[in-house]
Amino acid sequence: NAGVTQTPKFQVLKTGQSMTLQCAQDMNHEYMSWYRQDPGMGLRLIHYSVGAGITDQGEVPNGYNVSRSTTEDFPLRLLSAAPSQTSVYFCASRPDLYNEQFFGPGTRLTVL
Amino acid sequence: AQKITQTQPGMFVQEKEAVTLDCTYDTSDPSYGLFWYKQPSSGEMIFLIYQGSYDQQNATEGRYSLNFQKARKSANLVISASQLGDSAMYFCAMREGTGGFKTIFGAGTRLFVKA
Repeated sequence: NAGVTQTPKFQVLKTGQSMTLQCAQDMNHEYMSWYRQDPGMGLRLIHYSVGAGITDQGEVPNGYNVSRSTTEDFPLRLLSAAPSQTSVYFCASRPDLYNEQFFGPGTRLTVL
Repeated sequence: AQKITQTQPGMFVQEKEAVTLDCTYDTSDPSYGLFWYKQPSSGEMIFLIYQGSYDQQNATEGRYSLNFQKARKSANLVISASQLGDSAMYFCAMREGTGGFKTIFGAGTRLFVKA
């Protein structure tokens, strides 16, 4: 099992550009989430999904879109990148509400 | 609103000694879950330990134990016999209540283990 994979590992964007961060898991987990990690603030939930076709907003959803067409994949789209979106992004999955989340290795994004 | 507070930005501990990392939480829901994660300098998030709000006993996983004091709303992580490899960032997290999915994280505590 590869667990949770994320691509790319690093990305530099210019303000206004769009891009998609990829996330995939091979553990057949229903629940998936996207977080951003900023210095001194821990992880903050951006969007989450409780199954294919079902997504909802987290704590900081503005500027991001998600979709969940399959159980395995949960891409995060930045519509028009802004410097405030410079962060490390983590994707996570979990089998149910009562177990821990499994995190991907993260994507370090810089928006100039 | 739910909240997780980690009041220690940084902690030092001597190798082979025990250390306690503090975590307090705030929720009005009687059902919730508490997690601790470790983030080494390489950046990955590693699950350490879980405590359910209805669990009667404190959770333990090897050298990690969770000192759960429900009335005080605290869930401190105790690491026994610290090792150099324990130097990392540690995050306390809480899953929201019954049927809830969202997990909120504290700001973290950076632990430095001295040789």
